Amino acid sequence: AQSVTQLDSQVPVFEEAPVELRCNYSSSVSVYLFWYVQYPNQGLQLLLKYLSGSTLVESINGFEAEFNKSQTSFHLRKPSVHISDTAEYFCAVGRIQGAQKLVFGQGTRLTINP
Amino acid sequence: DGGITQSPKYLFRKEGQNVTLSCEQNLNHDAMYWYRQDPGQGLRLIYYSQIVNDFQKGDIAEGYSVSREKKESFPLTVTSAQKNPTAFYLCASTLMTSGGYNEQFFGPGTRLTVL
Repeated sequence: AQSVTQLDSQVPVFEEAPVELRCNYSSSVSVYLFWYVQYPNQGLQLLLKYLSGSTLVESINGFEAEFNKSQTSFHLRKPSVHISDTAEYFCAVGRIQGAQKLVFGQGTRLTINP
Repeated sequence: DGGITQSPKYLFRKEGQNVTLSCEQNLNHDAMYWYRQDPGQGLRLIYYSQIVNDFQKGDIAEGYSVSREKKESFPLTVTSAQKNPTAFYLCASTLMTSGGYNEQFFGPGTRLTVL
């Protein structure tokens, strides 16, 4: 079985400050790793994913995440946040083999203050 | 436009009534999923279906039922046996291909409130 822990339920930061949203996972099998973003009262959108290759993955809007196998982590970072980044962020894992089911973390609410 | 539609956006029901949430996709995706979202708990998988006329229980299937009579439709019924049905329900879909991973696309969700 897989499990995902997002260590912070809420993260308030000031605009243009850096941010890190932490994600740790547990799995007995190889997994893919994902970050999804959810704006208020909307569905989830894929932000970025790690499938294989380079352990540092980037999104088009400046977020990046690094897969660390030894620490079983996939932390999300952005060097300078904007008001528009205010949302809830979910880390998820999916088994490489078998049904494409995702296991989600509890979510981290990112609030950007002006 | 291709995508996933969920209806209605908001749904109110009295305790003890069954209610059916709609999920339709025109992406020609093979697999469809239902998740429940509660504050501070992330998303939890209720049911999923990889092919028509077949579906499997997820982690919290008790009190829910589904059907998959058509590839593009995967309705979820919240029955009176579900003890705490008030939540935000999200439907997702994905292609199924051998090897690799295909992104799950999510619908906009239905917020169910049981009075």
